Amino acid sequence: EAQVTQNPRYLITVTGKKLTVTCSQNMNHEYMSWYRQDPGLGLRQIYYSMNVEVTDKGDVPEGYKVSRKEKRNFPLILESPSPNQTSLYFCASSLTAGGPYNEQFFGPGTRLTVL
Amino acid sequence: KQEVTQIPAALSVPEGENLVLNCSFTDSAIYNLQWFRQDPGKGLTSLLLIQSSQREQTSGRLNASLDKSSGRSTLYIAASQPGDSATYLCAVITGGFKTIFGAGTRLFVKA
Repeated sequence: EAQVTQNPRYLITVTGKKLTVTCSQNMNHEYMSWYRQDPGLGLRQIYYSMNVEVTDKGDVPEGYKVSRKEKRNFPLILESPSPNQTSLYFCASSLTAGGPYNEQFFGPGTRLTVL
Repeated sequence: KQEVTQIPAALSVPEGENLVLNCSFTDSAIYNLQWFRQDPGKGLTSLLLIQSSQREQTSGRLNASLDKSSGRSTLYIAASQPGDSATYLCAVITGGFKTIFGAGTRLFVKA
């Protein structure tokens, strides 16, 4: 089944404890992206990747890192999480960024709480 | 900087009504516009994707139009049903390949 998977789905952690949220897709998609969703602020893009080893900042990259060493995986790293990073996180992918094959498909979300 | 606005923020209609959701964007240099549906506490489901060169796309009871020059898209839902109740989001991919979302329209269809 074609899908975008995220792990973990739920995470409660403490300030400063490094964590990684994994994202994987099995559709051979080039474009992958991370978003956070907050009440009143909507969905905002954190980072995106056009392909392996090509990443760029979205609108809210502060406090986050990403890497794209393999086409299927795009982990989101919080090196020193803070309470203002408590949010619902989504990973998404599409075949390409531009052109006719750029319909984005979303993972189920990761709810992160930083105490 | 690209900004995406959705109007109305919330909408309540009786079952069977046809309705229109609006999405506007400030910069016409986009690759595409995509409409999503989000149920409470759930992920996003893709509804329709319109390329910048297209004027409209249809899927079942849904029809989305795009007028890039005026920075507008509409999502038309025909014969609404209670199961259509959800938040509807539009998103544009910009010339720099960023994705910008609107805040969404919360739709409630009364039986």
